[in-house]
Formats: sequence, structure tokens, C-alpha cells
Amino acid sequence: DQQVKQNSPSLSVQEGRISILNCDYTNSMFDYFLWYKKYPAEGPTFLISISSIKDKNEDGRFTVFLNKSAKHLSLHIVPSQPGDSAVYFCAASAEGSGTYKYIFGTGTRLKVLA
Amino acid sequence: NAGVTQTPKFQVLKTGQSMTLQCAQDMNHEYMSWYRQDPGMGLRLIHYSVGAGITDQGEVPNGYNVSRSTTEDFPLRLLSAAPSQTSVYFCASSYISGRVNSPLHFGNGTRLTVT
Repeated sequence: DQQVKQNSPSLSVQEGRISILNCDYTNSMFDYFLWYKKYPAEGPTFLISISSIKDKNEDGRFTVFLNKSAKHLSLHIVPSQPGDSAVYFCAASAEGSGTYKYIFGTGTRLKVLA
Repeated sequence: NAGVTQTPKFQVLKTGQSMTLQCAQDMNHEYMSWYRQDPGMGLRLIHYSVGAGITDQGEVPNGYNVSRSTTEDFPLRLLSAAPSQTSVYFCASSYISGRVNSPLHFGNGTRLTVT
């Protein structure tokens, strides 16, 4: 039972355009969501997060949108740069219930074409 | 500031051997966890801990043991390695109190091959 799903294994985008990465979840107890970027042979690095009390959070070129009714979140990268090419993971946890397990999706490999 | 340090970086084991993957963090984080990354499977939680002396199972705990005797260290033990445990293992930590804007910090991973 996969609680966090990233249904697109890969995505290619032209440099300068918008990249949109999607993530769906099934557990309605999740209240904290994060996006991570991972380069080969390195550990995942934190990008941006959002609490369930918000529907949008921005940090520079990165914006995360949360649609609680649809149990869906997305990461927008504008403008996309070649250095953004990496695997992106979304993650969720149910901290309000005192559970601190972070559950990750399977990842989306983004390729930004110069 | 070292962050999360994992050792070794690479390890090859024969089936049935045991070993311990080490993880240490210097950020005074209460929460520590172990993940494995496999192709097409993403990052799957093995075990986690919310403080010294407290551990709990994640999504895929079978074949692994953990203990948390100090805040800084969270070793992962494979008692009898199996080829199915060939994977890249990541340790991660975070604060619990004041959780807002306190994401997981990851180490650089241990690549384990079991033959």
C-alpha cells in the first residue's frame, strides 16, 4: 500500500520553461509535506516544505502547491535550469498525530535540456 | 559542521555475514531514521527513533536491527545478510520539537552489495 505516489518516473523540460512535478497521497492524517532533490552518489537534499494549514509556499524559483481535498501536491520550478536535473522525491508525515515517520514517493527524474 | 555522517561508503558482504552501518549526527537532532533506496521503489523507511532509548519500525524492518543509546548515533545492523538487502542505505535526522521548517537531513549513503 503506497501512501505517497509519484506517477511520473521521468520528465524532460527545456531550459527556461516551467517544470511541474506531481505527488499524490492517500493518508488523510499527513499534515507536513516536503520535496527533496537527489543527485547521483549523494544523499537527498531538502528543497521546500509545506504544512497542511497552507496551500502554497514559495522559495525563490521553487513553489509547492497543496490541494488537501484532492490529496495532491505539486512542485513548480520556474525557470528551469540544467543544474535542476536530478531525481525529485516528495515526502509526507503525520506530525499532528505524534507520528514522525516520513514516507517518500518513488521519485521523478527531471532532465532540463539546454 | 559535519551534519549526518555515514560509514562505510561502500561495502560488499557474502550471504549470511553480519555488519553494522554507522550513522552519526552532530546537530543534536532527536529524530533519526534509516532508509533504503532501490530502483523504482524510492526511499523506504526501515527503522526510526525519536530519542535515545526509543526505536520503532518503518515500512521494511525485516532483517534489520537498530538501537539508539546516544542522541548522536543510530547504527543499523544486518544480522545475516541476504542478496535482497543489496541497496543504497541512507541515514537521516531532524528536530522534533519546533517541527516547523525542520526537515530531514540526509547523509551521503552507504552502497551495500550482498553476493
